Amino acid sequence: GENVEQHPSTLSVQEGDSAVIKCTYSDSASNYFPWYKQELGKGPQLIIDIRSNVGEKKDQRIAVTLNKTAKHFSLHITETQPEDSAVYFCAASIGPGANNLFFGTGTRLTVIP
Amino acid sequence: GAGVSQSPSNKVTEKGKDVELRCDPISGHTALYWYRQSLGQGLEFLIYFQGNSAPDKSGLPSDRFSAERTGGSVSTLTIQRTQQEDSAVYLCASSLAVGEAFFGQGTRLTVV
Repeated sequence: GENVEQHPSTLSVQEGDSAVIKCTYSDSASNYFPWYKQELGKGPQLIIDIRSNVGEKKDQRIAVTLNKTAKHFSLHITETQPEDSAVYFCAASIGPGANNLFFGTGTRLTVIP
Repeated sequence: GAGVSQSPSNKVTEKGKDVELRCDPISGHTALYWYRQSLGQGLEFLIYFQGNSAPDKSGLPSDRFSAERTGGSVSTLTIQRTQQEDSAVYLCASSLAVGEAFFGQGTRLTVV
């Protein structure tokens, strides 16, 4: 089955700086890569996703890049704000809703004011 | 409903008792997932339902765990003879066949 690795496990940045979280996956058939943000006491919420037919996707301060050859994808948050502090999970799937979502182990991001 | 609803939100049970956790997915979503999240840990896949297909139970940790999904909608995760190591947050998510997965708030299970 799919194996998703995520790093770093914890990340602290100063407010206004950028944060980058990286994930690798093992199954070359995976073609859907969502990122989830989980705040304390809440369920994970999708913040951005990317499919294998594109290499980059951006939504305001958040961007995701995908390298299918190397089987890795990254989340980039620019101009970080304290409210970005949360745990972020990457995931991989052969198809959204068509197969399991395999999650990374999470990154705890702390934005220091 | 507006989102995925899970009940109860918190459950404290004695070791050895059986528990049932409920998930009401978003109406029309064909896929439903159960995950377990231990304190400070990642999301451990348990079981996946997709339409009328046979569920993928490959993540269930033991035969004490089972789940069903009635009428393609509501799902119940049952843990028999609970153990202390079963203590965790149990998360349910649902999605359309080609859409994002929406998570519920989870059920925090504590086995004492």
